[in-house]
Amino acid sequence: EVQLVESGGGLEQPGGSLRLSCAASGFTFSTYAMSWVRQAPGKGLEWVSSITDSGGMTYYAGSVKGRFTISRDNSKNTLYLQMNSLRAEDTAVYYCATSDFWSGYFDHWGQGTLVTVSS
Amino acid sequence: SYVLTQPPSVSVAPGKTARITCGGNNIGGKNVHWYQQKPGQAPVLVVYDDRDRPSGIPERFSGSNSGNTATLTISRVEAGDEADYYCQVWDTNSDHPCMFGGGTKLTVL
Repeated sequence: EVQLVESGGGLEQPGGSLRLSCAASGFTFSTYAMSWVRQAPGKGLEWVSSITDSGGMTYYAGSVKGRFTISRDNSKNTLYLQMNSLRAEDTAVYYCATSDFWSGYFDHWGQGTLVTVSS
Repeated sequence: SYVLTQPPSVSVAPGKTARITCGGNNIGGKNVHWYQQKPGQAPVLVVYDDRDRPSGIPERFSGSNSGNTATLTISRVEAGDEADYYCQVWDTNSDHPCMFGGGTKLTVL
């Protein structure tokens, strides 16, 4: 059974940093592209970033480009999202998800971790 | 960036058919994916590549895509289908490769 467990969320001040982790199990992690998708309170889904199976290519939404960095450690079956220069509008539940690289759908999702940016 | 437009809400009686649309410029030329999200839960993929269903998704869920509109159709609607539904496309040739629609709240009357 595919399992994705996010961690690392919490309360951070504007301008601060957080690193999210997503521990994967139940599938061959190194053969899947992975993504982060977020959802602000009461709002819709917003794609944040994606990374190919090898980590060789990364993609970012314009709203986070230059501030967030996606990475992965295939030896640890773990996906990361380093978030710097946090803003109030980054407040959201952050989900990690497995991704189909060619069609771009997200077929398995974690339960999410809440990031709150506030002074 | 590419814009996907969904109606904010759709209402349907139990046992009837619900149709949720997703509009976009020449969306028929893209692969469209649909997600169901119930309150407090993570999204679940219900249709991918316009019309394919992941394992475990009932046949009542189907999709189509042509021209400027993609449609998620839910037949014989049940109370448990009440949820938010999102369409999504992916285009690696774009500066913003992934777009979600704004979501549609399906209410079962």
